[in-house]
This record gives sequence, C-alpha cells and structure tokens, in this order.
Amino acid sequence: KQEVTQIPAALSVPEGENLVLNCSFTDSAIYNLQWFRQDPGKGLTSLLLIQSSQREQTSGRLNASLDKSSGRSTLYIAASQPGDSATYLCAASNTGNQFYFGTGTSLTVIP
Amino acid sequence: EAQVTQNPRYLITVTGKKLTVTCSQNMNHEYMSWYRQDPGLGLRQIYYSMNVEVTDKGDVPEGYKVSRKEKRNFPLILESPSPNQTSLYFCASSLFYMPGQGRPNYGYTFGSGTRLTVV
Repeated sequence: KQEVTQIPAALSVPEGENLVLNCSFTDSAIYNLQWFRQDPGKGLTSLLLIQSSQREQTSGRLNASLDKSSGRSTLYIAASQPGDSATYLCAASNTGNQFYFGTGTSLTVIP
Repeated sequence: EAQVTQNPRYLITVTGKKLTVTCSQNMNHEYMSWYRQDPGLGLRQIYYSMNVEVTDKGDVPEGYKVSRKEKRNFPLILESPSPNQTSLYFCASSLFYMPGQGRPNYGYTFGSGTRLTVV
C-alpha cells in the first residue's frame, strides 16, 4: 500500500508567480501517479497522469514530474492566476487500478 | 459527454434510516470505486469493483455495502447510517488495467460528490 504525503498543506502566492507543489510516496514500485484539482465542495478534476515509464507530462501551464527512485512527484504551475486557487491532490497507484491519495495542498493565488 | 454521475448531491438523514447513493458511468469502465473525504484525512477508499459481480473492501468498509449488477452502476448502501458517516462521498471509475494487456491507462474519472449529513 502506498502512503502519499503532500507538503505544504497550504500555500499562498501572488499572481504571476511560478510555483511547485510536492508529492511524496513510499513505494517506488509505482505504476502511475495522477494529479487532480478540487474546488471547494466540488469533485476532482484530473489534471495530469504520469506513467511509471515517463519522467514528466505537460498540459498548458502545468508540468508534472515523476522520480520513482526518490519517491517524489512535483506539479509545476507557471504564471499563476487567481483561477488556479484550489486544492491540488496527488494519487499514486502500484497497479494502475487502485489509487492512494495525499491530503492535498490548498493553493491561494492573490491578485 | 463522458461522465460519472452521482445522486443525490446533498442528503441529510437520521441515524438508522437506510439510504442509497447512486453512481453511474457512461464510459464502459470496468473499475469503479467509492471514496469518502474527511478534513485532515484525505480520500479513503470504501469499496471497489473490478467488474460486474466483483467487489472488494477498501480501507474503510465498515458500515457500507455495495453491489455491481450492471457495468455502469455501482450504488453505495448505508444500511444503518450513523453520525460518523457524515462525510463527502465520491464515486470514481476507470478502465481496468492489466500489465501487458496493451490497453492505455487514463486514470480515474470522478463524480461531483455527495455530501451526506447523518443527524
């Protein structure tokens, strides 16, 4: 079973800054890792999925990396905007089917 | 539109009154799962299903039941709800992946959530 940790629990940045969110997992035999965004009281929206054979994935201003040997993934957000304010969750899977979630990083982008 | 649909979105009930939260997906996914989300604890898996008539316990199954009679539906049943089951519930689905199968893996698609309050 994966143990997934996200630090910090909360982060505030001024608009326009580039930022990095961190995700750590305990089992390097990871199959894939998925980053989600969650708005208050809402469901989870998938942002990026990285397979174990990949080092990174990009979508627009988002870039996610995966380092299995160190048990870490990062989500890089370029030129942050107030609309990026949300909670970001990472989830790791050893099988491709069952995912284990971190508790999330709550991001606030200040205009 | 490809989606996972949960109903109801909000539910307030009394202790002991049986309830069902429905979940339906239109993507022909084999794998479906229920999670609960609580402050400070993150998402914890309640039950999952790898295909029709195949279900198994997740990390916090006590007090819950599920069934998978059809591929698209995966209802969550609380036979006798208690206040400690007050939570935000999510249903998720995905293609079932097996190594070497040659199928792509796109990860989870989530429903919009059901906020349950048990008084």
